[in-house]
Amino acid sequence: GAGVSQSPSNKVTEKGKDVELRCDPISGHTALYWYRQRLGQGLEFLIYFQGNSAPDKSGLPSDRFSAERTGESVSTLTIQRTQQEDSAVYLCASSPRQELYPGNEQFFGPGTRLTVL
Amino acid sequence: AQKITQTQPGMFVQEKEAVTLDCTYDTSDPSYGLFWYKQPSSGEMIFLIYQGSYDQQNATEGRYSLNFQKARKSANLVISASQLGDSAMYFCAMREAVYGGATNKLIFGTGTLLAVQP
Repeated sequence: GAGVSQSPSNKVTEKGKDVELRCDPISGHTALYWYRQRLGQGLEFLIYFQGNSAPDKSGLPSDRFSAERTGESVSTLTIQRTQQEDSAVYLCASSPRQELYPGNEQFFGPGTRLTVL
Repeated sequence: AQKITQTQPGMFVQEKEAVTLDCTYDTSDPSYGLFWYKQPSSGEMIFLIYQGSYDQQNATEGRYSLNFQKARKSANLVISASQLGDSAMYFCAMREAVYGGATNKLIFGTGTLLAVQP
């Protein structure tokens, strides 16, 4: 079966441009997460979607960042007016069911490497 | 505030030996989960093992075991019989409020880079 997929795998953009990153979760997974990983660092939580509930946006670093998810399928992370400090790998993860089970692991995609020149 | 600390930026281990990767955490929530992920140079995140705060026994998964010391707030990963393919970055992570449908975001440490030497 297919895992979490992300596109593009690499994105190089100029400072000030907008970018859109896409995540296709595993089919049937109700929860979807976005994380950012700067070079040599751990992962930072950005945003979480769970079914039709309001998303948890507490990790978004500024109002230049936004994300959407259509039902329980594809999600897009949009970064407006990109800055050099936005350069990082953006990882998407999904998990299979309602988060009532503590050991529910998150399945990660391969990430999108964003470079802002 | 919730926090994960990994104090070992890098570790070396000889092939076939055991190695312990340290992880301490801070949380005021009595209900939490602790995870270890492996990230090879290819970049994917691979789930290794999970320990719940109410679990009575230490978690084990094959060559991986988690040395959970709740009073000390530590959750060290032990890899037995190291293999060359174990060379990777290892991240400890925590999820709070695991019961009750909270956000379930993972808080990650900064990672430990493990190098297995032949």
